[in-house]
Amino acid sequence: QKEVEQDPGPLSVPEGAIVSLNCTYSNSAFQYFMWYRQYSRKGPELLMYTYSSGNKEDGRFTAQVDKSSKYISLFIRDSQPSDSATYLCAMSAGGNEKLTFGTGTRLTIIP
Amino acid sequence: DAGITQSPRHKVTETGTPVTLRCHQTENHRYMYWYRQDPGHGLRLIHYSYGVKDTDKGEVSDGYSVSRSKTEDFLLTLESATSSQTSVYFCAIRPGDHEQYFGPGTRLTVT
Repeated sequence: QKEVEQDPGPLSVPEGAIVSLNCTYSNSAFQYFMWYRQYSRKGPELLMYTYSSGNKEDGRFTAQVDKSSKYISLFIRDSQPSDSATYLCAMSAGGNEKLTFGTGTRLTIIP
Repeated sequence: DAGITQSPRHKVTETGTPVTLRCHQTENHRYMYWYRQDPGHGLRLIHYSYGVKDTDKGEVSDGYSVSRSKTEDFLLTLESATSSQTSVYFCAIRPGDHEQYFGPGTRLTVT
């Protein structure tokens, strides 16, 4: 079983919809959580970073961490075609910061 | 732009040949990382460095070596390339406490 599980999709939603992306994990030592966006043939781009449990909002993006359930989410409001990409969750226990990634969810926003 | 360049951006090589990939950062960040990205596996850590001449293994280090003789450069070497090392390779830096920022990637094909 992988330490981090992420539904690969693909996920297609109409423009303007709210998108929910999720990851589950098994390692209770993880305490730093990140979401990356990756466009085709590009490097991953850091979207959100959160520490421990709780919510963090940045514009149309909200990251949510529930450590008791070992579950993290990324919400995208008012989705745009430019949000079409693969979204990767990543997490670490701290220290040397070795990140463990999910396999990514491919998202398409339909105009 | 995280101030990271990778070279070459694309390479095709034959089985058994040595290959060196270069990661260059424009700042003097201490931590640098090499990942590979494959379908169904996401991003996996190969090696990382926490200073000049200070390196350690990641989860998929077999068949790879690294060197860091200057703060700004982190080299990844495949001593004798195999077809299983066909992948996209990403370098990352850690400017702050936890977040990592990625380069544009090198697409390597071993025939």
